[in-house]
Amino acid sequence: QSVLTQPPSVSGAPGQRVTISCTGSRSNIGIGYDVHWYQQLPGTAPKLLIFGSDSRPSGVPDRFSASRSGTSASLAITGLQADDEAIYYCQSYDNSLFYVFGSGTKVTVL
Amino acid sequence: EVKLVESGGGLVQPGGSLRLSCEASGLTFSRYDMHWVRQVPGKGLEWVAVIGSAGDTHYPGSVKGRFSISRDNGKNSFFLQMNSLRAEDTAVYYCASSQNSLRFSIWGQGTMVTVSS
Repeated sequence: QSVLTQPPSVSGAPGQRVTISCTGSRSNIGIGYDVHWYQQLPGTAPKLLIFGSDSRPSGVPDRFSASRSGTSASLAITGLQADDEAIYYCQSYDNSLFYVFGSGTKVTVL
Repeated sequence: EVKLVESGGGLVQPGGSLRLSCEASGLTFSRYDMHWVRQVPGKGLEWVAVIGSAGDTHYPGSVKGRFSISRDNGKNSFFLQMNSLRAEDTAVYYCASSQNSLRFSIWGQGTMVTVSS
């Protein structure tokens, strides 16, 4: 049982916009800890995709963006492409549990 | 280029021990917090341990008292000693780095640990 809750899957056609939610609590996201997002392509290690409020490591396209409000956060992918098919995880810090992850959301490009 | 390379995974019987290693390159290793994160195949990610740049360590309840993280700054390496292993510890173990942040910036490729008789 993951501390942060994500939908199991989202899907969209090429070019469309999809969003992934990440719901936490007052001991993690709600208290102000940053939310970070990772992309895990099939058969590979996770990769940092978005960190902090809405910052991207070098090489990550600006089609990926993030936001947060209260005890939740969300990741948006615009201009959906076939190679965006992956599992996306949110991650934050919790006052009691240290580092916590979301359950992961599989993005399918129709 | 920053790179992390894990080693030491394998098959071990329940109750047994295993030591994982992670060698880092391309970064000033002593300044980084280093982590282990695991993933049961087909499942989500679980943080397992952290050793700070100052040598402080933390673990989640699921492994506390059984796992121990350590580092050797002279060898740009850190380790995970896993004792009293259980079937539920079966997973791919990733090493990851962070610097002055609460995120995992760089990840290794992972090493598989299977606990089975």
